[in-house]
Amino acid sequence: AQKVTQAQTEISVVEKEDVTLDCVYETRDTTYYLFWYKQPPSGELVFLIRRNSFDEQNEISGRYSWNFQKSTSSFNFTITASQVVDSAVYFCALSEVYAGNMLTFGGGTRLMVKP
Amino acid sequence: DTAVSQTPKYLVTQMGNDKSIKCEQNLGHDTMYWYKQDSKKFLKIMFSYNNKELIINETVPNRFSPKSPDKAHLNLHINSLELGDSAVYFCASSQGVTGEGKTQYFGPGTRLLVL
Repeated sequence: AQKVTQAQTEISVVEKEDVTLDCVYETRDTTYYLFWYKQPPSGELVFLIRRNSFDEQNEISGRYSWNFQKSTSSFNFTITASQVVDSAVYFCALSEVYAGNMLTFGGGTRLMVKP
Repeated sequence: DTAVSQTPKYLVTQMGNDKSIKCEQNLGHDTMYWYKQDSKKFLKIMFSYNNKELIINETVPNRFSPKSPDKAHLNLHINSLELGDSAVYFCASSQGVTGEGKTQYFGPGTRLLVL
């Protein structure tokens, strides 16, 4: 069965520091998809990125970057030069091809960015 | 212009009552989902509907009954509410359900408190 682990439950940094959020997953499928969502204090879930298992290229979007390593079953998320507005709970999630597009979420990492 | 909307946003009720949460999406998607987020922020799939047909039912008590009158709507009715039902319920939608790890877009959540 699929599983997603976010070992860091809480991270606290000072503004402008770089921070990496770890995500490790387990799946028996060769085709799967990985996602990151952000949940700010206001409570909504905001989609950040989707990656398929055949694309191991790292992705950068502004201050955000993602490192997908199939060999270690990890899909880590780095925020460069963090800002207070980055404070949120971040969720990593996995979707397997034959699981009806169901998302299996990790437990989330609460990031606190202090001014 | 909200893509996925839920009503109500907050729901406070007594144990034993029956309540409904409504979800609507205007993204033209054909698949909708309900997720439950508990007090520890853990997110878990409850149901999924594709073209008004139930495709995922993740061992949810039968006091929970989803209803999809059309592709744009997925409502959640809960009978005989229990204290343990207190949570945030998120509706989500995607286009398609199999093969390509479709991105799910989430509503703002409904915070249910059972007293």
